[in-house]
Amino acid sequence: DGGITQSPKYLFRKEGQNVTLSCEQNLNHDAMYWYRQDPGQGLRLIYYSQIVNDFQKGDIAEGYSVSREKKESFPLTVTSAQKNPTAFYLCASSRRQGWDEQFFGPGTRLTVL
Amino acid sequence: AQSVTQPDIHITVSEGASLELRCNYSYGATPYLFWYVQSPGQGLQLLLKYFSGDTLVQGIKGFEAEFKRSQSSFNLRKPSVHWSDAAEYFCAVGAIELKTSYDKVIFGPGTSLSVIP
Repeated sequence: DGGITQSPKYLFRKEGQNVTLSCEQNLNHDAMYWYRQDPGQGLRLIYYSQIVNDFQKGDIAEGYSVSREKKESFPLTVTSAQKNPTAFYLCASSRRQGWDEQFFGPGTRLTVL
Repeated sequence: AQSVTQPDIHITVSEGASLELRCNYSYGATPYLFWYVQSPGQGLQLLLKYFSGDTLVQGIKGFEAEFKRSQSSFNLRKPSVHWSDAAEYFCAVGAIELKTSYDKVIFGPGTSLSVIP
């Protein structure tokens, strides 16, 4: 079955540590996205990638980094510079960047202790 | 500014009752509009979308939405709610990032739906 996988589902981190969230898709989509979800705020775009080896900052990129070395993979690193990292993180992909339907993974809940 | 508002943070309905979730958008041109649903602890799934044409759009799971340009609204409806419809619902609009001309999707804050058996 085609889809998007995110791992791990739950992640705990100590303050000052970097952590990487995995996102893999087998839909052969060109575009991939990372969103952060906080209660009552909807989804906010962190980074997006339109094609391999290219990515752009979204609305809240500070304290985050990404890479896109393979079409199917778009890992997100939450760095120690992110002041309030505890949140639910969603990865998505679409056939092409723009207003195409986005397909979402199940999410990773990150808690900083 | 391009934005999406969902006036109702939380709605409770009885199973079998009708449902309407409100969505208003702010966008200068003809908008691309979406409704997504999120079950607890899960990702989002597209219910329906409007790009052009008929202003009444049919989606999955028995949902429909109507685009009303004069009211800048795209309300989601279902004639008879099932207990499995309890979830978070997000309205979204396709917009253009002015600095980069990037086509992006702006999500509303969401409406949480509870269903009473």
